[in-house]
Amino acid sequence: IAGITQAPTSQILAAGRRMTLRCTQDMRHNAMYWYRQDLGLGLRLIHYSNTAGTTGKGEVPDGYSVSRANTDDFPLTLASAVPSQTSVYFCASSVRSGSHEQFFGPGTRLTVL
Amino acid sequence: AQSVTQPDIHITVSEGASLELRCNYSYGATPYLFWYVQSPGQGLQLLLKYFSGDTLVQGIKGFEAEFKRSQSSFNLRKPSVHWSDAAEYFCAVGANFGNEKLTFGTGTRLTIIP
Repeated sequence: IAGITQAPTSQILAAGRRMTLRCTQDMRHNAMYWYRQDLGLGLRLIHYSNTAGTTGKGEVPDGYSVSRANTDDFPLTLASAVPSQTSVYFCASSVRSGSHEQFFGPGTRLTVL
Repeated sequence: AQSVTQPDIHITVSEGASLELRCNYSYGATPYLFWYVQSPGQGLQLLLKYFSGDTLVQGIKGFEAEFKRSQSSFNLRKPSVHWSDAAEYFCAVGANFGNEKLTFGTGTRLTIIP
């Protein structure tokens, strides 16, 4: 089934640990995005990639890094997790960059203690 | 830069009643507008979108939205809600050119009572 998968579904992590959230899409979309969702704040863009090999910073990039080695995968890494990074993380993709319909993954619930 | 406001954090509606969720945007030109729905524990799903043309847009699950330029609004409506409509609803605005990303509102949580 075409779509976006994210792993893990949920994770509890000790502060200071490194963590990579995985995101894979099979729709051959050029653009991909990472958001965090926090109560009362809606969705905030962390990083994005307009096409394979390029990445850019969103609204809240500090403490996060991404890579886009190929079209399908867009991992998000927390180099040294902090409790304020406790959130639900969503990966999304769109056919191309710009304000186009985005398709979302099921999310990863991350708790940093 | 564009922005979007959803003034209602939480709305409660009786099953079978009509629904209107408010969305106001700020953007200098004609925007691209979207409504997404998020069921508990799920990702976001597109309900409908407006790019141009007819200002009344039909979406999935019986939803519609109307673009009103004079009011900078894109309110979501449904004539009769079902218990399965209980979810969080997000409005999003984007630019009709360039690489501007979508900007999402903070969401409106919809509760349906029997």
